[in-house]
Amino acid sequence: ETGVTQTPRHLVMGMTNKKSLKCEQHLGHNAMYWYKQSAKKPLELMFVYNFKEQTENNSVPSRFSPECPNSSHLFLHLHTLQPEDSALYLCASSQDLLAGEGQYFGPGTRLTVL
Amino acid sequence: GQSLEQPSEVTAVEGAIVQINCTYQTSGFYGLSWYQQHDGGAPTFLSYNALDGLEETGRFSSFLSRSDSYGYLLLQELQMKDSASYFCAVINQAGTALIFGKGTTLSVSS
Repeated sequence: ETGVTQTPRHLVMGMTNKKSLKCEQHLGHNAMYWYKQSAKKPLELMFVYNFKEQTENNSVPSRFSPECPNSSHLFLHLHTLQPEDSALYLCASSQDLLAGEGQYFGPGTRLTVL
Repeated sequence: GQSLEQPSEVTAVEGAIVQINCTYQTSGFYGLSWYQQHDGGAPTFLSYNALDGLEETGRFSSFLSRSDSYGYLLLQELQMKDSASYFCAVINQAGTALIFGKGTTLSVSS
């Protein structure tokens, strides 16, 4: 256990559905991240939040909508997704924004879009 | 832009030593990190080098040469449980998050 939890662990949704992924960190960290991990591709940064404020949006399509109500919780709202959005979505946190000295990842949500 | 290159696969036997190399191109450099990810699991932080030289943590060591834009992860006394993917990563130009390499799959056999 890394202190970062994600729910659900697995999600299957149709292209017209709306769903949300949840991430919670119990480490007292100030920065939180969403990553996408597809087969045969490197981890792709999606969003970065620092003290609840979004500091980075890595050209992510608007069908992905993040929300960070406080420093411990991060959501990813999904709507009208495409099959190519099927991937493992990983949440991470770090003490500070300069993340080189260690990000802590959650177990991920395995998303399948039909 | 920023990019990282590492071998896609490495195989070794138990008890052996393996070196996983990583070369990077980056506009601004803060440091090189290494992460381990077992199949179906989350990436876990292994090491971070901001300065040139070798950092040792138990059976794992990490090396950085900033002048060569190069680093490596050294795994000694390999065990079956070390079979996993290993990613090198650098901090992006904005200093906000990590850019990961494609990962090296290490297979350890008996």
